[in-house]
Amino acid sequence: DQQVKQNSPSLSVQEGRISILNCDYTNSMFDYFLWYKKYPAEGPTFLISISSIKDKNEDGRFTVFLNKSAKHLSLHIVPSQPGDSAVYFCAASGGQGGKLIFGQGTELSVKP
Amino acid sequence: NAGVTQTPKFQVLKTGQSMTLQCAQDMNHEYMSWYRQDPGMGLRLIHYSVGAGITDQGEVPNGYNVSRSTTEDFPLRLLSAAPSQTSVYFCASSPWTASSYNEQFFGPGTRLTVL
Repeated sequence: DQQVKQNSPSLSVQEGRISILNCDYTNSMFDYFLWYKKYPAEGPTFLISISSIKDKNEDGRFTVFLNKSAKHLSLHIVPSQPGDSAVYFCAASGGQGGKLIFGQGTELSVKP
Repeated sequence: NAGVTQTPKFQVLKTGQSMTLQCAQDMNHEYMSWYRQDPGMGLRLIHYSVGAGITDQGEVPNGYNVSRSTTEDFPLRLLSAAPSQTSVYFCASSPWTASSYNEQFFGPGTRLTVL
């Protein structure tokens, strides 16, 4: 029972264009959502988050959108840069002070 | 600050052997956790702790033990390694409040192979 799903294992985008990574969840009790970025041989690093009381959060080139009725969130990267090439994990928390449920990850490749 | 450190970086075990994966943080975080990452599965929570002397199970706790005697350290023990425990293990820490979420900081990982 995968509560957080990233259905696209990989995504390839041209430098300068928009990257859109998608994530779906099933548990309506989740109240906080996060995106983590992971380079090979390193631990995940926090990228951006959104509370369930909001529908958008922006930080520089990164924007996360939350659609609660569809139980869907997305990460937009504009413009995409080759250094953005990494695996992106979507994660959700149910307000239990730290427990995270992760999606399977999407590997983003940004081509020069 | 060193952040979250993990040792060793790589380990090969034979089936049935035991070992301890070490995790330490110098940020005075109350919350610490262990995840395993497997292809196509994302990161899955093994065990977590909200403070010294307090631990609890995550999604996939079987085959693993933890203890938390200090705020800084949170070792993960494999009592009798099995090939199914071949994975990359990540330790993470964060401040902790019961009613809200705090960003977790991850260590660099330990790649474990069980033959």
